[in-house]
This record gives sequence, structure tokens and C-alpha cells, in this order.
Amino acid sequence: AQSVTQLDSQVPVFEEAPVELRCNYSSSVSVYLFWYVQYPNQGLQLLLKYLSGSTLVKGINGFEAEFNKSQTSFHLRKPSVHISDTAEYFCAVIMYAQGGSEKLVFGKGTKLTVNP
Amino acid sequence: NAGVTQTPKFQVLKTGQSMTLQCAQDMNHEYMSWYRQDPGMGLRLIHYSVGAGITDQGEVPNGYNVSRSTTEDFPLRLLSAAPSQTSVYFCASSYGQTTDTQYFGPGTRLTVL
Repeated sequence: AQSVTQLDSQVPVFEEAPVELRCNYSSSVSVYLFWYVQYPNQGLQLLLKYLSGSTLVKGINGFEAEFNKSQTSFHLRKPSVHISDTAEYFCAVIMYAQGGSEKLVFGKGTKLTVNP
Repeated sequence: NAGVTQTPKFQVLKTGQSMTLQCAQDMNHEYMSWYRQDPGMGLRLIHYSVGAGITDQGEVPNGYNVSRSTTEDFPLRLLSAAPSQTSVYFCASSYGQTTDTQYFGPGTRLTVL
């Protein structure tokens, strides 16, 4: 089973509409969860992360995500999107390798397209 | 700070050629990693390092070698390039632990003919 699954490969929305990008993780990995964003022709940058504490995590650019342990989900939301939010979004989780080292593993990504 | 730098930005190789993708960071980060990004596959971890002298394999290590002789540099070597290695390669680093924010380089677009 995949460590992290992004359920939608593409999400088109209209400007100012709300959006939810879905991410589910395997119960066999850690509960350290991340969302990264990649704008066209750029590297990735961190949007937000959940390590512990409040299950509602607020990030940059008005995004937030909710950690749901019972549903093993970490969905990303924004109440009103802008054209500039058009990008690819990646959910990521920390996995523990043999020997105790940790590695960051990414989902396959969701392309968000915001249309005028 | 320059952050994470990668060279070259673009590279075309013939099958069987070897090359090294360079990655350097000036933030004194301990953790560094290499990913490849392919359409519909997301980012897949190739190799990573938790500090100088320590490296480990990721999800797709075959065909790639790494070494970490200094904190700053983490080169990725392709010993005998294959068309399946055509991809965009990203280097990333973080301060100490994987829970820290990863800082990504701008990427190297590699084509193997």
C-alpha cells in the first residue's frame, strides 16, 4: 500500500470558489504530515505541516489542513482561491526506514487550476 | 544566503554516458536528499543523507550513486545513463531532522537519448 495517496490528480475550480485537495496516509507511517506547493517551473516550498497539537493547521497564502487520525486523512483547504494559486500540490509523510533513519515521502501530486 | 543550488539546469546525455549532478547548500543543513519528478509519479526519493559521511537509499536508488564528504555538498552520480533516467531532479536540504522544513533547489532537467 502507498504511504500517502492523493485522491485527485487534477482539480479545476473557478476563482473565488472554495477548494479541498485530498490526502490519505497509511496507518503504518508516522503522523508527521506536510503539504508542499510547486509553482510552474520552480522547486517545491512548504505550505504547512502537522507534527503534533491542534489538528487544524494554518499555512501560508490562506491555506489550512485538518489532521484526522480516525480517517487517516490530511486534506488541504482554502475558502476562496485566486488565479495565483494555480500550481501542483504535494502531500508528504515521514517514513521510518530500517535502522531508524527517517525519510520524507511524497504523494503523486494534485494539479490545481484556477480559472477566471 | 544562496539557499540550495543545483547545476546544471539542463543536460542532454547519450545512453551509457556518465555524469554528476551537483547540489550545494549554504545553510549548514545536516539533512540532504535527491528526488526525481516524473509526470503522474510525483516526487520519488532517490538517496538521502543525515550528515557528512552518512547516506542511505530511498525508493528508487538503482542507477544512482551518492556521497557526502562535506556538509555543504551532495552530488548525485549517474554511472551509465539510461533513457528511463530522463526526468527532473530536485535536491533538498533541511536543518537537522526530516520534520524540519525542506528547502528545494530549482531542479535539473535531464534528457537521456
